[in-house]
Amino acid sequence: EAGVAQSPRYKIIEKRQSVAFWCNPISGHATLYWYQQILGQGPKLLIQFQNNGVVDDSQLPKDRFSAERLKGVDSTLKIQPAKLEDSAVYLCASSLFVLTSGGDTQYFGPGTRLTVL
Amino acid sequence: DAKTTQPTSMDCAEGRAANLPCNHSTISGNEYVYWYRQIHSQGPQYIIHGLKNNETNEMASLIITEDRKSSTLILPHATLRDTAVYYCIVRQGGQGGKLIFGQGTELSVKP
Repeated sequence: EAGVAQSPRYKIIEKRQSVAFWCNPISGHATLYWYQQILGQGPKLLIQFQNNGVVDDSQLPKDRFSAERLKGVDSTLKIQPAKLEDSAVYLCASSLFVLTSGGDTQYFGPGTRLTVL
Repeated sequence: DAKTTQPTSMDCAEGRAANLPCNHSTISGNEYVYWYRQIHSQGPQYIIHGLKNNETNEMASLIITEDRKSSTLILPHATLRDTAVYYCIVRQGGQGGKLIFGQGTELSVKP
């Protein structure tokens, strides 16, 4: 079974530039997540999609970050304009939508490492 | 904020059991204990989860105390490939529970 795919793996940009990250979840996974992981910290949830609808974007800095999941499969996360503090690894995860008592298991991609100069 | 407390780092000899503790004294009745790990330059990987009973799978065992205020993840025979940051997460059951990662425990398995 193919895992969660992300591209690019690395990106270097200057502040005030724009950048976009792409995620392809595991086939059949209805739920998709974007996390931000700053060096030395655990991942922080930015946004959660259920199919192509947003479930939770309370931690997404909406003045500069946007995300979409057209057709309920692939997703893109965009930053415009980037700031120095956006330097981080951006992780995408996906899970099946199952109403089990323990909740879903999230499967993570390898991440995109963003450096803002 | 994360609802768990873990040691910052631990060492373990290769081939020995690695016992990673986690305190979650404010856990509520419908919250599960999840463990993920993150090997360097990779995304987090699910290990195991439990509610109140001890759990075991092919990767690890999870021991939860009777009062549910703490738990221990056990890797029975640690290998060098188990070197990673291990995250203990308390999460609501059902589809709405978020994974809120803390700092985790950096486990170093040494030859």
